[in-house]
Amino acid sequence: DAGITQSPRHKVTETGTPVTLRCHQTENHRYMYWYRQDPGHGLRLIHYSYGVKDTDKGEVSDGYSVSRSKTEDFLLTLESATSSQTSVYFCAIRRDSSSDTQYFGPGTRLTVL
Amino acid sequence: AQSVTQLGSHVSVSEGALVLLRCNYSSSVPPYLFWYVQYPNQGLQLLLKYTSAATLVKGINGFEAEFKKSETSFHLTKPSAHMSDAAEYFCAVQRSGGGADGLTFGKGTHLIIQP
Repeated sequence: DAGITQSPRHKVTETGTPVTLRCHQTENHRYMYWYRQDPGHGLRLIHYSYGVKDTDKGEVSDGYSVSRSKTEDFLLTLESATSSQTSVYFCAIRRDSSSDTQYFGPGTRLTVL
Repeated sequence: AQSVTQLGSHVSVSEGALVLLRCNYSSSVPPYLFWYVQYPNQGLQLLLKYTSAATLVKGINGFEAEFKKSETSFHLTKPSAHMSDAAEYFCAVQRSGGGADGLTFGKGTHLIIQP
């Protein structure tokens, strides 16, 4: 157990509304990641962070923004949700070593109607 | 740039039979390679990883994988399948040499165990 929680675990929202997903870790790991999982696509990286206020884009960042004002929290925001953003979102953490494992949270299932 | 190809979106084996899940990668630098398992409605759990030490890597639940640079492969095997192995399996690659890079995943293989 890597001490990762995600909230909410399930959310249904409507097209055009803003949505924020939260990832919280209890172990002060430096690196945090947001992925989305879709059938037939595996997991794809949305954004990642390598420290407080240090973030960068991943493979599928369009329509998403992130913030990290504290080490333990990494927020993913959909500014104006679209149906194509219906997905399962996973947060992951990694310790400082470059070869170290990423540990995943339980996921958030988001449905955009 | 790096990518991962998992051959076969679904693999079905009989209980007690050999499990072989295929993964091929491409990477411009020596890679780190991972296999994760996902049970229904759960997050991902690490099975095993290759980080440039031994080419034959043993993981949890009796799984192992062999890194073959000449074939750019990292296939996952288990000698004898158990019903509890039914799950989705993902191969992933990460660039070595440091950095904050995330993982690049394959599309996954759904393992079905026939009684």
